[in-house]
Amino acid sequence: DQQVKQNSPSLSVQEGRISILNCDYTNSMFDYFLWYKKYPAEGPTFLISISSIKDKNEDGRFTVFLNKSAKHLSLHIVPSQPGDSAVYFCAADPGGGADGLTFGKGTHLIIQP
Amino acid sequence: DAGVTQSPTHLIKTRGQQVTLRCSPKSGHDTVSWYQQALGQGPQFIFQYYEEEERQRGNFPDRFSGHQFPNYSSELNVNALLLGDSALYLCASSWDRVGETQYFGPGTRLLVL
Repeated sequence: DQQVKQNSPSLSVQEGRISILNCDYTNSMFDYFLWYKKYPAEGPTFLISISSIKDKNEDGRFTVFLNKSAKHLSLHIVPSQPGDSAVYFCAADPGGGADGLTFGKGTHLIIQP
Repeated sequence: DAGVTQSPTHLIKTRGQQVTLRCSPKSGHDTVSWYQQALGQGPQFIFQYYEEEERQRGNFPDRFSGHQFPNYSSELNVNALLLGDSALYLCASSWDRVGETQYFGPGTRLLVL
């Protein structure tokens, strides 16, 4: 029973264009959502988060959108850069970020020159 | 400011053996969470320690146990190792407050033969 789903195992985007990574969840108790980026042989690096009381959060080139009614969130990266090539994980938490996180399986983003 | 550190980086064990993994949290963090990441999967929550007690646990058997020390560092112990325990073990630290981000270490790669 996968409570957080990332249905695209990989995504290829041209440098300079927008990258959109999607995530769906089933547990309506989740109230805090995070995106992490992971390079090979490194631990996940925090990118951006959003609380369920908001529908959008921006940080530089990264924007996360939350649609609670659809139980869907997305991460937009604009413009995409070569260093953005990595695996991106969506994570969720019912305790405002203080609990154990439930992760999706990840999306491998490849930025093409 | 040192981030989350883990030791060892790699470990090879045989079935039935026991293993201990170590984690030092980011300076000032009081909460430590452990995750298991199998190949091609997202991290899966094992348990979380706060004030030297296990506060929350994921769906892992009792073979997985842990400890938190007064300086907030933590250990993960796995007894009676199975081949399926081969994975990347990640430690994350945070403050015990809603909305606080979990920061991950580089992980320990465990191979069980």
